[in-house]
Amino acid sequence: AQKVTQAQTEISVVEKEDVTLDCVYETRDTTYYLFWYKQPPSGELVFLIRRNSFDEQNEISGRYSWNFQKSTSSFNFTITASQVVDSAVYFCALSERNQGGKLIFGQGTELSVKP
Amino acid sequence: DAGVIQSPRHEVTEMGQEVTLRCKPISGHDYLFWYRQTMMRGLELLIYFNNNVPIDDSGMPEDRFSAKMPNASFSTLKIQPSEPRDSAVYFCASSFSRGRHTIYFGEGSWLTVV
Repeated sequence: AQKVTQAQTEISVVEKEDVTLDCVYETRDTTYYLFWYKQPPSGELVFLIRRNSFDEQNEISGRYSWNFQKSTSSFNFTITASQVVDSAVYFCALSERNQGGKLIFGQGTELSVKP
Repeated sequence: DAGVIQSPRHEVTEMGQEVTLRCKPISGHDYLFWYRQTMMRGLELLIYFNNNVPIDDSGMPEDRFSAKMPNASFSTLKIQPSEPRDSAVYFCASSFSRGRHTIYFGEGSWLTVV
């Protein structure tokens, strides 16, 4: 069975601090996809990144970086030099190849960045 | 490019009334998903379509819920009769199987049943 666990329910940091959001997943499929979405206070779900199971290279996009480790079934998300605009709920999600692309979401981590 | 378009954005209705939520997926996408978000259950998949055909509706909570996709550019999610526990944000999303299969979400329909 597939499952995504985001153990951190809430994180509070001060602006300019670095912060890492944890994501652990479970799947029996050998081909799968991992995602991070951002949900700001306005409510929409914004796509941040997609990672294939066969590509373990870490990725950096500006202040955002992602660390994918199959050995520990983790796909962690780091924000460097956080800003108030980063305040949002962040969701990690899993999609298996044989499940038609449907996403299984974690419970989300609410990040609060204070000035 | 237009994203996934949902309507209405907000709806308040009385218990027992019929509610219809609408979705226009991104042009060219062949998968369409309906998700529901609540505080208690988080984000859960209700149903998804591939090429307008329902593939998995195991997440539909009960017979009061129904979804249709009459063509590639339109889908509806209907609740009849509505109940207060149906209050939630309903998201429609779409993806393209031959691309990177990234799922893009609409802005959501905020439903309140009183």
